[in-house]
Amino acid sequence: KAGVTQTPRYLIKTRGQQVTLSCSPISGHRSVSWYQQTPGQGLQFLFEYFSETQRNKGNFPGRFSGRQFSNSRSEMNVSTLELGDSALYLCASSKEPTGLTYEQYFGPGTRLTVT
Amino acid sequence: GQQVMQIPQYQHVQEGEDFTTYCNSSTTLSNIQWYKQRPGGHPVFLIQLVKSGEVKKQKRLTFQFGEAKKNSSLHITATQTTDVGTYFCAGPSSNTGKLIFGQGTTLQVKP
Repeated sequence: KAGVTQTPRYLIKTRGQQVTLSCSPISGHRSVSWYQQTPGQGLQFLFEYFSETQRNKGNFPGRFSGRQFSNSRSEMNVSTLELGDSALYLCASSKEPTGLTYEQYFGPGTRLTVT
Repeated sequence: GQQVMQIPQYQHVQEGEDFTTYCNSSTTLSNIQWYKQRPGGHPVFLIQLVKSGEVKKQKRLTFQFGEAKKNSSLHITATQTTDVGTYFCAGPSSNTGKLIFGQGTTLQVKP
């Protein structure tokens, strides 16, 4: 079974630009969560989608948005990029919503650098 | 809000020594999960504990879930260089169900 895939793997953008990251979950998984990982802040939850609906949202500004498609693939978008948005963005999928007893499977991440 | 804290943040051990990381939640957890992230890699699911007082073993790794379901620990016996990485615990928020991760414990093993 193929794992979680994320594209692109690396990205360099300039301040003020916007970026879209993509995540394809494991086949049969309907929940997709996004996390931002930085050395100082650890794993910060961005949002979770289940059956095309945003189920949970973390404490990030409105510049961070996401969506999920009918095939469970998900995208996240960051508008008006800031230097502080430089991070590893991880996507994780699970069979059901994370409040239940289902483990998450992480993708390799997208390394975003904002200059 | 609900918090999940891990200690220590960093641990350096000599190969062959034991290692323990502790995870504490501000609220009771329905379950707790442990993940390992190797340097340059992504978090990989290790195990999930659900029952109060539960103890599970995976080779040299022993996981415990506290009686009150508010704390957990991961103990590695006789560390090896392959154990290097950051170990995260995570539990679902009692309000929203979203998974809350601890800050992680980074383990370095000297050969």
